[in-house]
Amino acid sequence: GAVVSQHPSWVICKSGTSVKIECRSLDFQATTMFWYRQFPKQSLMLMATSNEGSKATYEQGVEKDKFLINHASLTLSTLTVTSAHPEDSSFYICSASGPRFSGTFGSGTRLTVV
Amino acid sequence: AQTVTQSQPEMSVQEAETVTLSCTYDTSESDYYLFWYKQPPSRQMILVIRQEAYKQQNATENRFSVNFQKAAKSFSLKISDSQLGDAAMYFCAYNTGGTSYGKLTFGQGTILTVHP
Repeated sequence: GAVVSQHPSWVICKSGTSVKIECRSLDFQATTMFWYRQFPKQSLMLMATSNEGSKATYEQGVEKDKFLINHASLTLSTLTVTSAHPEDSSFYICSASGPRFSGTFGSGTRLTVV
Repeated sequence: AQTVTQSQPEMSVQEAETVTLSCTYDTSESDYYLFWYKQPPSRQMILVIRQEAYKQQNATENRFSVNFQKAAKSFSLKISDSQLGDAAMYFCAYNTGGTSYGKLTFGQGTILTVHP
């Protein structure tokens, strides 16, 4: 149990376009989802926390208008990188928590903006 | 704010030997959780072991065990009988539990190389 599916695993987009990343809990209800960002050979930095049905809480320094998070259901959260630029290129990874499971990670998305 | 520090950017070990990865943390909380995660080249985060601060007994999962020193705020990971598949980046992580369970603060990571 406690499987989190994240798609796409790899995406290349042109500068100025938007990209949506999906995170789904497959076999449990994820009341809370967390979005992290990781640069090569560095640690994971929490970007935001989203609770189902409410607005996301962003960490200090994270632009909420650039990184739009939606958590409309108990099984799906999305991260949209708007007007992406090369500096947004990174590895994005979600994790989900629910009444029975916590800290289960998706497989991550490698975003490259060209 | 809580912080997690891993002072060993890289470690290496011979296959079948034992290696210990260090982690220290800073918190004013009395109840919290500590974790070790493994991130292989695939970058999938894999939970290795979890320790609840209120438990004095050190957690153990097969070849993986921790040395949890609450007073010293130290949480090291020991890998016994190291295998080639143990090669990965290892992260120590912390959270306060409760409604924040799942919200993790990570250390900088330690790259572990296993030599055949």
